[in-house]
Amino acid sequence: EVQLLESGGGLVQPGGSLRLSCVASGITFSNYGMGWVRQAPGKGLEWVSVISATGGDADYAESVKGRFTISRDNSKNTLYLQMNSPRVEDTAVYYCAKRLKTDTGMTRAFDFWGQGTMVTVSS
Amino acid sequence: EIVLTQSPGTLSLSPGERATLSCRASQSVSSSYLAWYQQKPGQAPRFLIYGASSRATGIPDRFSGSGSGTDFTLTIGRLEPEDFAVYYCQQYGSSPVTFGQGTKVEIK
Repeated sequence: EVQLLESGGGLVQPGGSLRLSCVASGITFSNYGMGWVRQAPGKGLEWVSVISATGGDADYAESVKGRFTISRDNSKNTLYLQMNSPRVEDTAVYYCAKRLKTDTGMTRAFDFWGQGTMVTVSS
Repeated sequence: EIVLTQSPGTLSLSPGERATLSCRASQSVSSSYLAWYQQKPGQAPRFLIYGASSRATGIPDRFSGSGSGTDFTLTIGRLEPEDFAVYYCQQYGSSPVTFGQGTKVEIK
């Protein structure tokens, strides 16, 4: 059974920093790309970032580019999201998600999701 | 950026009825890279459909997806009580990945 367990959320001041973690189990973590998707309170889903299986390639939404950094440690089966200079509008539940792998390769659809960790940016 | 517009915003139906949800893209979705997710209150999204029409593992066959280009549909053949939720479409063929704003399927 695939399990993704996020941690690290909480209250952070605008301009501060926070690091989210996501520990994966039930999969060969190093074989899969991963991503982060967020959901502001009462709102819809917003893609944040993806990373390749090796960690060599990453992509970001324009709204977080230059402020957030995705990374992974395959020896620890762990995905990270470093949030620097967060803004009030970054307040959301952050979901860690596994990217779907098909016959044609790694996609940016997400077939397994963690339960999410809440990040509140406020002074 | 591809904008996805879902309609209707809310669908009020009774258990046993058929639900038809629409997702329209502002430009053609590459290779029908269109997915659907279900989300219940307080829960993470659940993966339903990928490639516009392929069901994910373990998804009941009352869920079906169709469409290509800019127009896509999720159909729930006969609504079960557990199907009342919010449904999102997502295109993953172009960067940035984008989601629709969601359709809420509620009990009439």
